[in-house]
Amino acid sequence: NAGVTQTPKFQVLKTGQSMTLQCAQDMNHNSMYWYRQDPGMGLRLIYYSASEGTTDKGEVPNGYNVSRLNKREFSLRLESAAPSQTSVYFCASISTLSYNEQFFGPGTRLTVL
Amino acid sequence: SQQGEEDPQALSIQEGENATMNCSYKTSINNLQWYRQNSGRGLVHLILIRSNEREKHSGRLRVTLDTSKKSSSLLITASRAADTASYFCATRGANSKLTFGKGITLSVRP
Repeated sequence: NAGVTQTPKFQVLKTGQSMTLQCAQDMNHNSMYWYRQDPGMGLRLIYYSASEGTTDKGEVPNGYNVSRLNKREFSLRLESAAPSQTSVYFCASISTLSYNEQFFGPGTRLTVL
Repeated sequence: SQQGEEDPQALSIQEGENATMNCSYKTSINNLQWYRQNSGRGLVHLILIRSNEREKHSGRLRVTLDTSKKSSSLLITASRAADTASYFCATRGANSKLTFGKGITLSVRP
């Protein structure tokens, strides 16, 4: 039982490049989330997917797109990376049966030059 | 914008002392949760308290909730060097989203 996994762990991009961050969970959770964490800002919600087939914007969605590929996988895409998107990105999931504990992945550290 | 605001922003204590961290929030909640984050890692859930509960314990953790003041506190008793981490409060309202505060950095000196 791996929990929530994210790839890659580290990534360096040049301004204007695109990339997709991958996230998968093996806990049969319905809801999945993407956050970014910046120094002094805490965690801010980018997008979330309450269930397979649905996605919704969070607090800071601009510059990002998401795909809920199936129940297990939720990807985050940066179409044209900007230096302001330098951050640590966390994926998380939760069971909608309890809406209790949210499980987090280990994070992706992204630098945009 | 953040719902939860933790206080203090940073806390440094000696091993064996108790650590108290506070969280205030603005709107009504279903539950409030505390998470820990070790350096370079993801967040790990510590404890949850529902809006109709006032106090909860889990091992060396005690969390209280005062809905009239819209505040919560997390107490870690008999702290250890391994408790050094960042601690976040998070609130869940009527929707499926958790809203996190900015976090408290706890340093426990051996």
